Amino acid sequence: EVQLVESGGGLVQPGRSLKLSCAASGFTFSNYGMAWVCQAPTKGLEWVASISTGGGNTYYRDSVKGRFTISRDNAKNTLYLQMDSLRSEDTATYYCARRGRGNYFDYWGQGVMVTVSS
Amino acid sequence: DVLMTQTPVSLPVSLGGQVSISCRSSQSLVHSDGNTYLHWYLQKPGQSPQLLIYRVSNRFSGVPDRFSGSGSGTDFTLKISRVEPEDLGVYYCLQSTHFLWTFGGGTKLELK
Repeated sequence: EVQLVESGGGLVQPGRSLKLSCAASGFTFSNYGMAWVCQAPTKGLEWVASISTGGGNTYYRDSVKGRFTISRDNAKNTLYLQMDSLRSEDTATYYCARRGRGNYFDYWGQGVMVTVSS
Repeated sequence: DVLMTQTPVSLPVSLGGQVSISCRSSQSLVHSDGNTYLHWYLQKPGQSPQLLIYRVSNRFSGVPDRFSGSGSGTDFTLKISRVEPEDLGVYYCLQSTHFLWTFGGGTKLELK
């Protein structure tokens, strides 16, 4: 059974950093691209960042480029999102998602809440 | 960015009834490889999104045949027949033809 379990969320002040983790199990992690998708409170879904199977290719939406870094450790079956220079508008639930073979997100974690506030 | 517009925003339904949700894109979603990367998700209250339909009309593993997807180009539809209580929640379309991938704003399916 595919499982994605996020951790590392919490309350953080503007300008500070946070690192999210996503532990994967039930599939060969190194064979799949991965992504982070966020959802601000009472809002819709927004793609944040993606990473290729080996980690050599990364992609970001403009609003987080230069502040967020997606990475992965295939030996540990773990996906990361380093979030620096956090802003209030980054407040959201962050989901880890597996990129399926057909260019879609086929499995999602339960999500982790990030609140940026002083 | 490709804008995805879903209608309606809210959709009241009676159990056992049939509904349709529309998703329109600001550009054609036909990829240069010939595929159309338009997908549908359901987010039940308090849960993460779950994949229902991929590439317009293919049901994901375990999804009942009450769910069907259709459409082409810029116009797509999700139909749900014989609505059951577990179908309630917010439905999203996602396009992954063009970078960056974008979601529709969501359609909330709720009881009348």
